[in-house]
Amino acid sequence: DAGITQSPRHKVTETGTPVTLRCHQTENHRYMYWYRQDPGHGLRLIHYSYGVKDTDKGEVSDGYSVSRSKTEDFLLTLESATSSQTSVYFCAISDRQGGDNYGYTFGSGTRLTVV
Amino acid sequence: DAKTTQPTSMDCAEGRAANLPCNHSTISGNEYVYWYRQIHSQGPQYIIHGLKNNETNEMASLIITEDRKSSTLILPHATLRDTAVYYCIVRSSYGNNRLAFGKGNQVVVIP
Repeated sequence: DAGITQSPRHKVTETGTPVTLRCHQTENHRYMYWYRQDPGHGLRLIHYSYGVKDTDKGEVSDGYSVSRSKTEDFLLTLESATSSQTSVYFCAISDRQGGDNYGYTFGSGTRLTVV
Repeated sequence: DAKTTQPTSMDCAEGRAANLPCNHSTISGNEYVYWYRQIHSQGPQYIIHGLKNNETNEMASLIITEDRKSSTLILPHATLRDTAVYYCIVRSSYGNNRLAFGKGNQVVVIP
């Protein structure tokens, strides 16, 4: 979607290696979110941020860390990737916690494969 | 946040109105009903949301019952591009109110 980009779009990595996914926005939205999507589980929240340097855990945060040093970037790091972290990762932004008139805007996703 | 119940899947005829139901019997007074959809391999897309009044935008209409325990998303003239998983989500506009997605309703528009 315009205003939010995720990188890389695809990545294959080996078990035990660190991986960082990037979410970049140009909307100056305060809130940013990382979700993962797996078959049979739908979308699950990993971490979210409500401002620069302000982050909190979601429902599946184990094995993940995040950082937000500036408004436009929200990084998701897998310190030591495992095969269970093979998934599609989506970033989302919103203007306020209740969502702006258009709700959340999602990125196009990053498909991560851990071998 | 209140839980929602949707059909697992449904088919709709191309060119006809598609009526997607959602039950949210435990909804509380400050919780909104949101609808998103996800077309295969893409990120979810916001459709519409409402509190108690019916809402309409360029994509769809949202009909909320008077007791707010259920709602219906209406796609007025379904097209093949409307084939997607549709998520009905109930969420408060206050406090810690992240979006929680269920498994959604797989809607297939049939020619």
